[in-house]
Amino acid sequence: GNSVTQMEGPVTLSEEAFLTINCTYTATGYPSLFWYVQYPGEGLQLLLKATKADDKGSNKGFEATYRKETTSFHLEKGSVQVSDSAVYFCALSDKIYRGTSYGKLTFGQGTILTVHP
Amino acid sequence: DTGVSQDPRHKITKRGQNVTFRCDPISEHNRLYWYRQTLGQGPEFLTYFQNEAQLEKSRLLSDRFSAERPKGSFSTLEIQRTEQGDSAMYLCASSLSFRQGPGAFFGQGTRLTVV
Repeated sequence: GNSVTQMEGPVTLSEEAFLTINCTYTATGYPSLFWYVQYPGEGLQLLLKATKADDKGSNKGFEATYRKETTSFHLEKGSVQVSDSAVYFCALSDKIYRGTSYGKLTFGQGTILTVHP
Repeated sequence: DTGVSQDPRHKITKRGQNVTFRCDPISEHNRLYWYRQTLGQGPEFLTYFQNEAQLEKSRLLSDRFSAERPKGSFSTLEIQRTEQGDSAMYLCASSLSFRQGPGAFFGQGTRLTVV
């Protein structure tokens, strides 16, 4: 079955540091890949996504590239801010209905990020 | 559009009692999902509906769990004879089935504590 493995946290950084959170996956076929973020007291929010190999998803300064050869989707940000402190989840979804929509999500265990001023 | 709404936000119940949670999806979304998240873990898929039809159930969904979406709008998740192992955050998400777009939108969840 499908599975997602994220680097273990917590990750603690100083403001303006470079961030990488590793994510690798196991899936049949060509899944779509996602990063979700959960800020304290809030629900899960989609941060970015990529639907095919070599696609780069980006949002709010975060980026991740769909690497089929290494089955990876690592999250990066060049300069983190205190407001980026949150839990980050990597996830995948099979494409269904001939690739026209997403199916259920399989999540990694989450990585806690804390950014200090 | 107020997003996905879940009620209650918190529920404390005694072991053996039944509980029911409600989810109101984004109004035009025809697909609705339930997930369960335990402390320190990512959400795990429980079940999903397309309109009123329940199309898939996880093996995590034991016989004590039942979900409905009677008119293809809101959904309820009931847990009968709760056990301490049922303590978790129960998340609801909704999406459109006919295009990829932004994928699923999540509610803030219902935190269940079984004492």
